Amino acid sequence: DTGVSQNPRHKITKRGQNVTFRCDPISEHNRLYWYRQTLGQGPEFLTYFQNEAQLEKSRLLSDRFSAERPKGSFSTLEIQRTEQGDSAMYLCASASLGVSGNTIYFGEGSWLTVV
Amino acid sequence: QKEVEQDPGPLSVPEGAIVSLNCTYSNSAFQYFMWYRQYSRKGPELLMYTYSSGNKEDGRFTAQVDKSSKYISLFIRDSQPSDSATYLCAMSYTGRRALTFGSGTRLQVQP
Repeated sequence: DTGVSQNPRHKITKRGQNVTFRCDPISEHNRLYWYRQTLGQGPEFLTYFQNEAQLEKSRLLSDRFSAERPKGSFSTLEIQRTEQGDSAMYLCASASLGVSGNTIYFGEGSWLTVV
Repeated sequence: QKEVEQDPGPLSVPEGAIVSLNCTYSNSAFQYFMWYRQYSRKGPELLMYTYSSGNKEDGRFTAQVDKSSKYISLFIRDSQPSDSATYLCAMSYTGRRALTFGSGTRLQVQP
């Protein structure tokens, strides 16, 4: 399967713990996005990478959240000192720079439950 | 007021029916319009992509964009139980990196 891959798919953690999610985008895609989705809502944008550069961060991305994309390949999203409000599905998406506009492909998501 | 509004449903139809799903938006700058299908506990899957106004057809799916009314639609012909999912509209414009999503409409196709 050459789609966007996310790990782990599910994570249950205690409040205050740190968690890290990994995303492997489609290999030729140089654009990578993180979104968050809660029940009954559409995905909300968190951050955007073009190659290894983090070019945009949403106001939703508090200072407890950090994302990296070393070498412009895979990306990690770390949440420090988790809170119950962080419980959500974290979606990674990728796209290629080109003339087709905004055809963005999502992974299966990583579910986070903070107890 | 949200930039993109979408009726959450659920919308329940019998198998074989024509389904109409809609979104309205407030930002006239939007020029790229997408429909995603999302099965329970899965990631969104891109169904249709349309640039600016007009219609686009792909198999049983037809996407329509009316920029003058700030209204987009997705039609599903000959609906199947496997079409039961949440349908999300999303939109963006040149220079805006993020997609703005509707909250999704849950569709149930009854056998």
